Amino acid sequence: DAGVIQSPRHEVTEMGQEVTLRCKPISGHDYLFWYRQTMMRGLELLIYFNNNVPIDDSGMPEDRFSAKMPNASFSTLKIQPSEPRDSAVYFCASSWTFGSYEQYFGPGTRLTVT
Amino acid sequence: ELKVEQNPLFLSMQEGKNYTIYCNYSTTSDRLYWYRQDPGKSLESLFVLLSNGAVKQEGRLMASLDTKARLSTLHITAAVHDLSATYFCAVEITSQFGNEKLTFGTGTRLTIIP
Repeated sequence: DAGVIQSPRHEVTEMGQEVTLRCKPISGHDYLFWYRQTMMRGLELLIYFNNNVPIDDSGMPEDRFSAKMPNASFSTLKIQPSEPRDSAVYFCASSWTFGSYEQYFGPGTRLTVT
Repeated sequence: ELKVEQNPLFLSMQEGKNYTIYCNYSTTSDRLYWYRQDPGKSLESLFVLLSNGAVKQEGRLMASLDTKARLSTLHITAAVHDLSATYFCAVEITSQFGNEKLTFGTGTRLTIIP
């Protein structure tokens, strides 16, 4: 398996624009996670899905952020409108279960909002 | 709210020396994970600790979990340059709503000096 795939790897956009990040989890994994990493706040869990259903979105910072998982092999994280404080590295991860097994992280998307 | 604290935040050590990274957390949990992150890279799973007293070892790294003390340690033996990275612990709890939540520590940036 190719591992967790994320695209794009780098995204530079202007404030106010819509940004969509994409993730393909490892085949057979039931859980998908979206994280954000910044120097100030460290690594934060934004939302996670189980069998394509959102389970906990309490980490989503505000209504500008939304995530979907239309099928077992694809998820998106959308920011609309984007702001400079959204600049961060966004990781997607997947696992067979929530606990007992490690999560496999994708390479991340480095987002810069100017 | 679960707090996960790592110390030290930064650690420079000479090759060949031993040292320990500590991960303290503020609420009951018996599942803890250790990850490694190289600069500009994604996170890689190191250890999964699932019960009190669990000990896992891989090469020069050994992790342990004391759920009563709410403490996990990552011990480095005879450090080598390749171990230079940032190390994160992550603690899993079950929320009041019955779903699992994962909180990462602040990370410990380890630099091995020749």
